Amino acid sequence: DAGVTQSPTHLIKTRGQQVTLRCSPKSGHDTVSWYQQALGQGPQFIFQYYEEEERQRGNFPDRFSGHQFPNYSSELNVNALLLGDSALYLCASSLAGGGSYEQYFGPGTRLTVT
Amino acid sequence: GESVGLHLPTLSVQEGDNSIINCAYSNSASDYFIWYKQESGKGPQFIIDIRSNMDKRQGQRVTVLLNKTVKHLSLQIAATQPGDSAVYFCAERPGNMLTFGGGTRLMVKP
Repeated sequence: DAGVTQSPTHLIKTRGQQVTLRCSPKSGHDTVSWYQQALGQGPQFIFQYYEEEERQRGNFPDRFSGHQFPNYSSELNVNALLLGDSALYLCASSLAGGGSYEQYFGPGTRLTVT
Repeated sequence: GESVGLHLPTLSVQEGDNSIINCAYSNSASDYFIWYKQESGKGPQFIIDIRSNMDKRQGQRVTVLLNKTVKHLSLQIAATQPGDSAVYFCAERPGNMLTFGGGTRLMVKP
């Protein structure tokens, strides 16, 4: 049973560029949440997708957008990259209405903006 | 905005001793609290959770205590082992999102 997978593992981009990160949820899960984790800090909630729609959003600008596909996988897009976007981006999956609020995290994508 | 915070950024314990990691939360609307462990280069790993209608929950070598009166959460690890060395985060769940604190690094001395 595969857990949450993310790609790529590492990524280096230049300011102003755009990036797309990908996530496949744990088998049986239908909800995907994205988090940004700056070095030495706790993860910060970006948004959550369920039934291919954004269900809730944290305090992030519109440069951050996402998508969920019919197979429940998800993408995080960041436009007009800033140096401050350098962070570990985590994807977490869960099962809506499954009776548990537990979110399973992937290993993350380390994004470096130069 | 409201957030989850931690009292101690670093905790160093002797192998075999018990560890206690503390956390203060501020969102009284949170109905669910979780402790995560994060090792270097990995995503957070679920340890134990507790609902707001409980004050204690035990797992394997771990116990979570919730004091809603003072909005305090703690994680107790019994017989701490070298493999317990990691950063520990508490998180609260108001709605569909998780709000994390800044983390406590646990260092286990042999």
